[in-house]
Amino acid sequence: SQTIHQWPATLVQPVGSPLSLECTVEGTSNPNLYWYRQAAGRGLQLLFYSVGIGQISSEVPQNLSASRPQDRQFILSSKKLLLSDSGFYLCAWIGGAGGGRAFFGQGTRLTVV
Amino acid sequence: SQQGEEDPQALSIQEGENATMNCSYKTSINNLQWYRQNSGRGLVHLILIRSNEREKHSGRLRVTLDTSKKSSSLLITASRAADTASYFCATETGNTPLVFGKGTRLSVIA
Repeated sequence: SQTIHQWPATLVQPVGSPLSLECTVEGTSNPNLYWYRQAAGRGLQLLFYSVGIGQISSEVPQNLSASRPQDRQFILSSKKLLLSDSGFYLCAWIGGAGGGRAFFGQGTRLTVV
Repeated sequence: SQQGEEDPQALSIQEGENATMNCSYKTSINNLQWYRQNSGRGLVHLILIRSNEREKHSGRLRVTLDTSKKSSSLLITASRAADTASYFCATETGNTPLVFGKGTRLSVIA
């Protein structure tokens, strides 16, 4: 069965420090991968999506970047965090095996202090 | 840009009552999906309804889709305290990634 792993679950980072959040998928190949951010009590904002290795589309200009070094690995990064980068980050995959539905990781709560 | 918009933003009901949440969207879709999110967790898929379907059931969930009005509703019957969560609709158009609404926060009081 397909599973998605996202880590860490919580992270507290100082302003100006780098960031790396990792997401990996098991049990499927060539998934479409997504990074969303959710502000407290708000909806999901799409940050990046990837339809294949090395292919990244960005939805909004921001302080973050994404990379897809392997088929089932999706990484969210920042060189220097801002206070406004705080939020709940969710990785998701959508593939044919899922019938068009999205499968989400458990999320990372990032607090920039 | 936001595609789906849920209504109401928050809903509080007694256990055993039915809960109805609505979603409106702007453009033509391939399918519409409903998700549930417990506090501080990832979203879990509940149900998917295709653009050529009008109604779908799954357990205590009933989803309707009216493409002429570009709207959908999610009905949870005989609600339980464990149904307390946020519920999101998401639309899939085929050309853009899955776009989520802002969600409805449901509180079921025992």
